[in-house]
Amino acid sequence: QKEVEQDPGPLSVPEGAIVSLNCTYSNSAFQYFMWYRQYSRKGPELLMYTYSSGNKEDGRFTAQVDKSSKYISLFIRDSQPSDSATYLCAMSSNAGGTSYGKLTFGQGTILTVHP
Amino acid sequence: DAGVIQSPRHEVTEMGQEVTLRCKPISGHDYLFWYRQTMMRGLELLIYFNNNVPIDDSGMPEDRFSAKMPNASFSTLKIQPSEPRDSAVYFCASSLLWAGGGEQYFGPGTRLTVT
Repeated sequence: QKEVEQDPGPLSVPEGAIVSLNCTYSNSAFQYFMWYRQYSRKGPELLMYTYSSGNKEDGRFTAQVDKSSKYISLFIRDSQPSDSATYLCAMSSNAGGTSYGKLTFGQGTILTVHP
Repeated sequence: DAGVIQSPRHEVTEMGQEVTLRCKPISGHDYLFWYRQTMMRGLELLIYFNNNVPIDDSGMPEDRFSAKMPNASFSTLKIQPSEPRDSAVYFCASSLLWAGGGEQYFGPGTRLTVT
């Protein structure tokens, strides 16, 4: 079993829809949770960052973390065609040794928002 | 800042040939990561360095893969001999570490095709 599970989709929604992307994880040491966005033929870029449990909002994007359920979500409101990309969740811990500084990524979900 | 620079952007080579991928991290970043991305396996961490020292190479698939970081501004990933199953997009990323992992900045990737 992978440490981080993410449904690869693909997910196709109409413009204006609310999009929900999710990841589950098994490592209880994870404390830092991120969402990266990757456009076609580009490298991933950090979209949202959250520490521990709770919500964080940035414009049309909301990240949620539920550590008790080991479940994180990214919501996109009023989705736009420009949101079409692959969304990867990523996590890290404060554990020492070879885990320090290391991110564990989900598989990525391919999202298409059509006009 | 120009961001993380990778070269070449595309590489097509025949099975058995040596391939060298190059990366220049963002100036001042003390962590450097090499990833491989395929549709089947997603984004996989191959190896990462801290202050030019390899910290974790457990993701390197075989002895055919090697990586070096001779100084803070340059790293190489070498595959010798290459095989068709090595075909993937290889990303280099760098970060300025803070507690918890830090944002990783990705390069544009090198698309490798081994025929």
